[in-house]
Amino acid sequence: KNEVEQSPQNLTAQEGEFITINCSYSVGISALHWLQQHPGGGIVSLFMLSSGKKKHGRLIATINIQEKHSSLHITASHPRDSAVYICAVGVAGGGADGLTFGKGTHLIIQP
Amino acid sequence: DTEVTQTPKHLVMGMTNKKSLKCEQHMGHRAMYWYKQKAKKPPELMFVYSYEKLSINESVPSRFSPECPNSSLLNLHLHALQPEDSALYLCASSQAGGNYGYTFGSGTRLTVV
Repeated sequence: KNEVEQSPQNLTAQEGEFITINCSYSVGISALHWLQQHPGGGIVSLFMLSSGKKKHGRLIATINIQEKHSSLHITASHPRDSAVYICAVGVAGGGADGLTFGKGTHLIIQP
Repeated sequence: DTEVTQTPKHLVMGMTNKKSLKCEQHMGHRAMYWYKQKAKKPPELMFVYSYEKLSINESVPSRFSPECPNSSLLNLHLHALQPEDSALYLCASSQAGGNYGYTFGSGTRLTVV
């Protein structure tokens, strides 16, 4: 079973700061997902990565398959970015097997 | 339509009640999932349906009974639940296979009294 570790668990920063959240996993994966969850529950998919780097607006996600590590960066952070960010991985080998989740990073951006 | 719709959003039920949670998607996704999330914890996989067939049951107690009547609809039937079953129940869908994105519903917040 894949172990997914995220750091930090909690992060408080000032508006405008550059934010980095890290994720590491223990065994091979089909893809890595970065998810956002606001209070009240719903989860939004931000990125799915199997290699390299992706960018969407102020969000950047990178993955290093050899090192089994991924990072999520937020540039010019804003209070509306406050949420729980979750790293999740799908097992290697394909198939609809569901995701294994990290414990999440609770991000607070203060004005 | 790019959404997964879950109903109801909130549900309070007694330990002797029978209720059902509903999840619907019209994206043509052939894999659908139920997750359970307790407060301040990550989601935990409960069931996976692939092409309307149950492919994964993560040792979930029989008081939870999933059903996939067609490729767009996923139900979770609840019976004789315990207070510790109170949680957020999330539905998700994806194309079948390992390299596809997931779409999550907004969840049903269940309270068992």
